Amino acid sequence: QKEVEQNSGPLSVPEGAIASLNCTYSDRGSQSFFWYRQYSGKSPELIMSIYSNGDKEDGRFTAQLNKASQYVSLLIRDSQPSDSATYLCAVITGGYQKVTFGIGTKLQVIP
Amino acid sequence: EAQVTQNPRYLITVTGKKLTVTCSQNMNHEYMSWYRQDPGLGLRQIYYSMNVEVTDKGDVPEGYKVSRKEKRNFPLILESPSPNQTSLYFCASSSGGLGNTIYFGEGSWLTVV
Repeated sequence: QKEVEQNSGPLSVPEGAIASLNCTYSDRGSQSFFWYRQYSGKSPELIMSIYSNGDKEDGRFTAQLNKASQYVSLLIRDSQPSDSATYLCAVITGGYQKVTFGIGTKLQVIP
Repeated sequence: EAQVTQNPRYLITVTGKKLTVTCSQNMNHEYMSWYRQDPGLGLRQIYYSMNVEVTDKGDVPEGYKVSRKEKRNFPLILESPSPNQTSLYFCASSSGGLGNTIYFGEGSWLTVV
């Protein structure tokens, strides 16, 4: 079992819809969770970080964390074509020593 | 401006010819790391460093070496590159702590023929 799992997609949503991206992790000791966006051939850029159970909102983005279910998600409201990218889930366990990324979910927002 | 700078950005080299990819950060971060990214495999950590002279292996360290003689620099060394090391490489740095941001360099496209 992979430590951080994501569906590779592509996930296609129409412009203006809500995109829901999901990530599960295997290590219950994981402490910090991140969502990065990566455009093709570019470096990842941070969208959200979360480390407490519940929701965290930032503009059109909401991160949700459920440590009991070992599940973290990212909701993108009012999806725009410019949101089309690969979204990487990252999990930190044991301080900085272990940073594990999922393979990423490719999101396509259809105009 | 906060930056992680890596060079070269693009390189085609031949099997067995030693090469170094440099990485420098200007944020006084303690933590630095190297990743490779391959289709279908995502970002995988090669090596990381928690401070000067402190380094440790990540998930895929075979065929790579690193050194951390200065806080700002963390070069990646391929002593004898092989074609399976053809990949997109990212250097990254962070200040540490649970919620800190990892800053990535722009990436280095390496092709070994």
